[in-house]
Amino acid sequence: SQQGEEDPQALSIQEGENATMNCSYKTSINNLQWYRQNSGRGLVHLILIRSNEREKHSGRLRVTLDTSKKSSSLLITASRAADTASYFCATGQNYGGSQGNLIFGKGTKLSVKP
Amino acid sequence: DGGITQSPKYLFRKEGQNVTLSCEQNLNHDAMYWYRQDPGQGLRLIYYSQIVNDFQKGDIAEGYSVSREKKESFPLTVTSAQKNPTAFYLCASKAGQKGDIQYFGAGTRLSVL
Repeated sequence: SQQGEEDPQALSIQEGENATMNCSYKTSINNLQWYRQNSGRGLVHLILIRSNEREKHSGRLRVTLDTSKKSSSLLITASRAADTASYFCATGQNYGGSQGNLIFGKGTKLSVKP
Repeated sequence: DGGITQSPKYLFRKEGQNVTLSCEQNLNHDAMYWYRQDPGQGLRLIYYSQIVNDFQKGDIAEGYSVSREKKESFPLTVTSAQKNPTAFYLCASKAGQKGDIQYFGAGTRLSVL
């Protein structure tokens, strides 16, 4: 079952602009992660935020988590053409035999034009 | 050079044929996963294994089978019972219960002839 829903499904911006992607989820989580996928390739982990954290930074990436609203956002500042990719949120499960498994959303396709 | 290796990169299946996708990791990770990705979609979990000689069904296990005889290897067989096998298949691993981050292979694209 897919519980993460990203918004928007597609985003097109100019180089140098900021890109914001949102993710909503349904159940209790242990952590929330963002992954990047270049076309036809595997996923690469970008950043992880735990359920007791509200904001985290890594380079040009900023992630926020609001557990009361069951939502997260990923901000990429000063975007570059090389940021063009699909971005997925994944929620880490914290119950029963599924503990440690990830549930992925459908992704946001980001296009950064030079 | 540590990582996860999936092979082949492209695979074609004939009607009624079983095909096996390979996944090998040298990260010494306990847990391994198989996902299916359809165009414009997220990843759906097929099977996972948290330890050698043990594996569990994910959300879409029907028509697939796996084995975990070695820590490094987690092959996926797409059987003839899987009527719509055309998809991009991704293998991932993580460092057992204490690990959070999954590391992915480059994927295998399976098509039906």
